[in-house]
Amino acid sequence: EAGVAQSPRYKIIEKRQSVAFWCNPISGHATLYWYQQILGQGPKLLIQFQNNGVVDDSQLPKDRFSAERLKGVDSTLKIQPAKLEDSAVYLCASSLGHKPNYGYTFGSGTRLTVV
Amino acid sequence: SQQGEEDPQALSIQEGENATMNCSYKTSINNLQWYRQNSGRGLVHLILIRSNEREKHSGRLRVTLDTSKKSSSLLITASRAADTASYFCAPLNDMRFGAGTRLTVKP
Repeated sequence: EAGVAQSPRYKIIEKRQSVAFWCNPISGHATLYWYQQILGQGPKLLIQFQNNGVVDDSQLPKDRFSAERLKGVDSTLKIQPAKLEDSAVYLCASSLGHKPNYGYTFGSGTRLTVV
Repeated sequence: SQQGEEDPQALSIQEGENATMNCSYKTSINNLQWYRQNSGRGLVHLILIRSNEREKHSGRLRVTLDTSKKSSSLLITASRAADTASYFCAPLNDMRFGAGTRLTVKP
């Protein structure tokens, strides 16, 4: 079974620029999460999708962050404009969602550096 | 705010020793899961324990769950240098993580 794919692996941008991250979950996984992980901290949940609907985006800084999941498959996370404090690893995770024996599968993440 | 909160923040042991880390959570749960994260990588699912289970084993891992205290523990027996990583817990129905426990196993 293929894992959760994320791209790009690394990205360096200047502050005030825009950036987008892409996540391709495991086929058939209805639940998808985006996390922000600042160095030395735990992953912070940004947004949860169930199919193409948003379940929880309470911690998403909506003034600059946006996310979508068209057709309930791939998802993109965008930051516009970026700030220095957005430097972090952005992780995507997916799951079948309703089977209690399954945990979540994480991608390797996109490391963003804002300079 | 995080749902799972791990303790201690850091743990350093010698290879072959056992490592125990704890997790507390805030609300009622159905199942609790533990993850490992190696430096620079994504999280890897280790084990899930159901709310009606008190203890579960998987290889060198032993997880306990006390729903009355809203706490769980992860025991890694006969640790290896490859176990060096950060460990996180989270309820399956509320995927918010704490700062994790940073485990260092010295060869």
